[in-house]
Amino acid sequence: SQQGEEDPQALSIQEGENATMNCSYKTSINNLQWYRQNSGRGLVHLILIRSNEREKHSGRLRVTLDTSKKSSSLLITASRAADTASYFCAPASNAGGTSYGKLTFGQGTILTVHP
Amino acid sequence: DTEVTQTPKHLVMGMTNKKSLKCEQHMGHRAMYWYKQKAKKPPELMFVYSYEKLSINESVPSRFSPECPNSSLLNLHLHALQPEDSALYLCASSQDRVLGYEQYFGPGTRLTVT
Repeated sequence: SQQGEEDPQALSIQEGENATMNCSYKTSINNLQWYRQNSGRGLVHLILIRSNEREKHSGRLRVTLDTSKKSSSLLITASRAADTASYFCAPASNAGGTSYGKLTFGQGTILTVHP
Repeated sequence: DTEVTQTPKHLVMGMTNKKSLKCEQHMGHRAMYWYKQKAKKPPELMFVYSYEKLSINESVPSRFSPECPNSSLLNLHLHALQPEDSALYLCASSQDRVLGYEQYFGPGTRLTVT
C-alpha cells in the first residue's frame, strides 16, 4: 500500500509555536499532497509537492520532501488556534503504470493549538 | 466557484431503506470521487469517475451504487445498508484524474444506518 504513515499521531502546542508533522511512505511517488480537515468536515487541500521538488512554501506552511528517505514534513509556523485540525498526507502514485493515479491518505496528525 | 456541494448534510436510514447522496461541482472538473471516512480514520477511496465513466471501484459492496448523470453531478445510491456503513461520505473532484492535480472536497454527508 502507498498509504502514508504520519508522526506524531497527536500534537498539542501553544499559539505562536511552530508545529511539525512527518509523513513516511513506501514506494515511489509522483507527488505528495497535504490536506487539513476540521472536525467532521470536508478536507481542504494545503499544498502539493512534486517528486522532483525538495521544498515548497505557502504562507505559513513549509513542506519538504526527501525521496531518498521516502519522507515528507509539514511545518506550520506561528500557529494559531484556528490551525486546530487533523492533517493528512497523501502520497500520489501511478495506478498500474499509467499516468492516472489515486491518493491514499495517511492516518493523520491531530493538531491542537491552545490560545 | 471552487465549491463542491453535497446533500443531504445528515441522513438517518433503516437497513431496508433506499436513499441517495448527491454531489455537485461547477468547476469544470472531469474527475469525481467518493470516499468513506469512519471516525478518527483517514478517508478511504470508494469510486472514481473520469469523464463521466466509472474508472475505479475499490471493491465496494454492491449495496453502494454510484452514478454520474453528467459532468457536474455525482450520486451515490444506497440500498440495504448495514449499521457498519455508518460514516461520513465525502465527495471530491479534480481537474483530471491524471497525477498532479489536487482534489476539492465537499463537506460530506453524515450517514447513520439504524
